[in-house]
Amino acid sequence: DVKVTQSSRYLVKRTGEKVFLECVQDMDHENMFWYRQDPGLGLRLIYFSYDVKMKEKGDIPEGYSVSREKKERFSLILESASTNQTSMYLCASSSLEWPEQYFGPGTRLTVT
Amino acid sequence: LAKTTQPISMDSYEGQEVNITCSHNNIATNDYITWYQQFPSQGPRFIIQGYKTKVTNEVASLFIPADRKSSTLSLPRVSLSDTAVYYCLVGGLTGGGNKLTFGTGTQLKVEL
Repeated sequence: DVKVTQSSRYLVKRTGEKVFLECVQDMDHENMFWYRQDPGLGLRLIYFSYDVKMKEKGDIPEGYSVSREKKERFSLILESASTNQTSMYLCASSSLEWPEQYFGPGTRLTVT
Repeated sequence: LAKTTQPISMDSYEGQEVNITCSHNNIATNDYITWYQQFPSQGPRFIIQGYKTKVTNEVASLFIPADRKSSTLSLPRVSLSDTAVYYCLVGGLTGGGNKLTFGTGTQLKVEL
């Protein structure tokens, strides 16, 4: 079974802090994704990576950056957390053939 | 980007067939249509994917008309365990990952 793990299920940070969300997949997938999920808005793509050190902006990249130094690991970085970044963050991975994405359990981030 | 619209919620009873429709009027030629299921406190899980006409697997069918401006997920004989949020996803990864648009989700409630 494909497994996508996220470093934390719940996280509370203060405004202005730098926040790292880590995601690891064990299926040697080329593609990895970061989404945020908000009530009434569904899932929105923040960033996508199709290879190590490669990234593409999604619909809402502002305020976020990403890092992919190893194939299995994709990190989402909030350089200076703000209250409007309080959300559920979901990581996913897929093979090059797509379209089936495998999602992690999510990290609920609260910024106070 | 394709904009997707789904009903917010649907109710059904065990044993009935449920059809959930997603509208995506400006779907692009290369876009695929994918449906996901999400339970509380979990990441979405892939159900089915198609490009045109009809696709069937062991859990669902997907109907896509010739103009591809909508799609219908069909769940045969639902049970209580099918109570979940269902998302349609329209897009593809050709030319970059920023062409993935999730709908806002349909909350399906199945009762006895």
